[in-house]
Amino acid sequence: TQLLEQSPQFLSIQEGENLTVYCNSSSVFSSLQWYRQEPGEGPVLLVTVVTGGEVKKLKRLTFQFGDARKDSSLHITAAQPGDTGLYLCAGASWGAQKLVFGQGTRLTINP
Amino acid sequence: DTAVSQTPKYLVTQMGNDKSIKCEQNLGHDTMYWYKQDSKKFLKIMFSYNNKELIINETVPNRFSPKSPDKAHLNLHINSLELGDSAVYFCASTFNGGGRTGELFFGEGSRLTVL
Repeated sequence: TQLLEQSPQFLSIQEGENLTVYCNSSSVFSSLQWYRQEPGEGPVLLVTVVTGGEVKKLKRLTFQFGDARKDSSLHITAAQPGDTGLYLCAGASWGAQKLVFGQGTRLTINP
Repeated sequence: DTAVSQTPKYLVTQMGNDKSIKCEQNLGHDTMYWYKQDSKKFLKIMFSYNNKELIINETVPNRFSPKSPDKAHLNLHINSLELGDSAVYFCASTFNGGGRTGELFFGEGSRLTVL
């Protein structure tokens, strides 16, 4: 069974601070996706990383896929209250036609 | 125009009852899923259908029976509801081309409470 471990599970910081969320596994994935979920809604895709070592930027969010394709990180610079939400990483394996999700990181940015 | 729509959004029922949740996607995707999100927000895959064919059944109790009348619809029927079935159930769809799972588009979820 493939498992994705996210850390930390909870994070509460002040507006303007930087933070990093980690997503680790002992399994190799063909791609890794990051989603954000707000209360009462379904998760929404932020980014997909495909190549080992790949770095993608989405405004103040930077996503990295590990060289061995087993882990990923999400770094947020100068966090804002609008970044508050549940961040989920999800891994896909070749031909498996499903995504396995981590348990999520609940992020709260205090004004 | 909602891409993935689920009904009902809320469902409160007694133990032992039978209930159904419906899902429709208008994105032209070939694959649909049911995920269960527990109180700790962990999203666990339950079923997947590709072009109306069941391709994933993650050891879900047989009280849960999915049905896909066509590739745009995936319904979930639950018999003899138990307290532990209380959760938010998410429908999702994607296009699985070339063996690689694409972006999942989720519905808003159906919150089931079993009393």
